[in-house]
Amino acid sequence: KAGVTQTPRYLIKTRGQQVTLSCSPISGHRSVSWYQQTPGQGLQFLFEYFSETQRNKGNFPGRFSGRQFSNSRSEMNVSTLELGDSALYLCASSLELAGVGTDTQYFGPGTRLTVL
Amino acid sequence: GNSVTQMEGPVTLSEEAFLTINCTYTATGYPSLFWYVQYPGEGLQLLLKATKADDKGSNKGFEATYRKETTSFHLEKGSVQVSDSAVYFCALSFYNQGGKLIFGQGTELSVKP
Repeated sequence: KAGVTQTPRYLIKTRGQQVTLSCSPISGHRSVSWYQQTPGQGLQFLFEYFSETQRNKGNFPGRFSGRQFSNSRSEMNVSTLELGDSALYLCASSLELAGVGTDTQYFGPGTRLTVL
Repeated sequence: GNSVTQMEGPVTLSEEAFLTINCTYTATGYPSLFWYVQYPGEGLQLLLKATKADDKGSNKGFEATYRKETTSFHLEKGSVQVSDSAVYFCALSFYNQGGKLIFGQGTELSVKP
């Protein structure tokens, strides 16, 4: 079974631009979560989508948004990029048959975003 | 609030040495606890987990026991290999908070031959 895939793997943008990152979960998985990883702040939860609805949200500004499609693929968007948005963005998927958020999360390799 | 604290790294060991990476948590309620590992240039892989007090998670020679009385989930391995060199993350989650994992800051392990 293929793992979680993220595209693109690397991105370079300039301040003020916007960016869209894509995540394809493991086949059959219904929940997708996004995390930001930086040397200073570590791993921080952005948001989680389940059945096309945002189920949980972390403490990030409204410039960070996401969505999930009917095939469970997810995208996250960051508008008006700032230098501090440079990070590794990780996507994780889980099966969630019961829909209560207890299943193991499987992570993708991440998208490395550099903002210049 | 809920949080996870890990011992600071980097930790440098010789091959076949005993490994302990300390992890303590602060939580309201009874979370599930996890250890994830991140190899250079890769995403996170689940190493082991425990969902209730006194549970022991184990995988690939690594073990951790959920200790409610000391709010700890220390990672141990009896004999490390060079291939265990990676960053290790302790994390917690609650069943009613969906996919939200709260991570510690990570501990870098370097194993020398």
